[in-house]
Amino acid sequence: EADIYQTPRYLVIGTGKKITLECSQTMGHDKMYWYQQDPGMELHLIHYSYGVNSTEKGDLSSESTVSRIRTEHFPLTLESARPSHTSQYLCASSEGTVYGYTFGSGTRLTVV
Amino acid sequence: AQSVTQLGSHVSVSEGALVLLRCNYSSSVPPYLFWYVQYPNQGLQLLLKYTSAATLVKGINGFEAEFKKSETSFHLTKPSAHMSDAAEYFCAVSEGYGGATNKLIFGTGTLLAVQP
Repeated sequence: EADIYQTPRYLVIGTGKKITLECSQTMGHDKMYWYQQDPGMELHLIHYSYGVNSTEKGDLSSESTVSRIRTEHFPLTLESARPSHTSQYLCASSEGTVYGYTFGSGTRLTVV
Repeated sequence: AQSVTQLGSHVSVSEGALVLLRCNYSSSVPPYLFWYVQYPNQGLQLLLKYTSAATLVKGINGFEAEFKKSETSFHLTKPSAHMSDAAEYFCAVSEGYGGATNKLIFGTGTLLAVQP
């Protein structure tokens, strides 16, 4: 079944640790996105990609980085986690704007 | 530039009552418009979308929305609320002409509570 997967679902880590949040989709979509969602539920675009080897920063400044080496895979990395990174991270993919986005289930990150 | 305003961050209705969630957009070009629903600890799920065909759009779970260009609105409705409708709802508009930038602009969300 075509879908988009995020792992882990929940993660609690200590300050200063390096982490990678995984996002994979089986739909062959070129366009992929990472959003950070505040406790107040507002969505902020932090990274996006329109294809392999193409990545751009989003509207919200983020200390994270992304890579797009394969169409189906769009991981997000934090080199040194801080408590301010505590949030929910949502990955999405799209065939084109007219179709909307398909979202993963999210990763809830807590940095202690 | 496109933008989305969702009026009311919290809406509470009784089970069986009409659900009305408001969304107004700002766009200088014909927009694509979307409603998403988010249940606790989940990602967003597409409820329905308007892409310049019929102005009254029907979605999943009995929801529908009407595109009104003159009012720049895309309000979400459901005739009879069910307890399972309790969730966060997001309105979104495409950015750029024909969604040219391949980005959606999301509203700040409306939390719907359904009282028994």
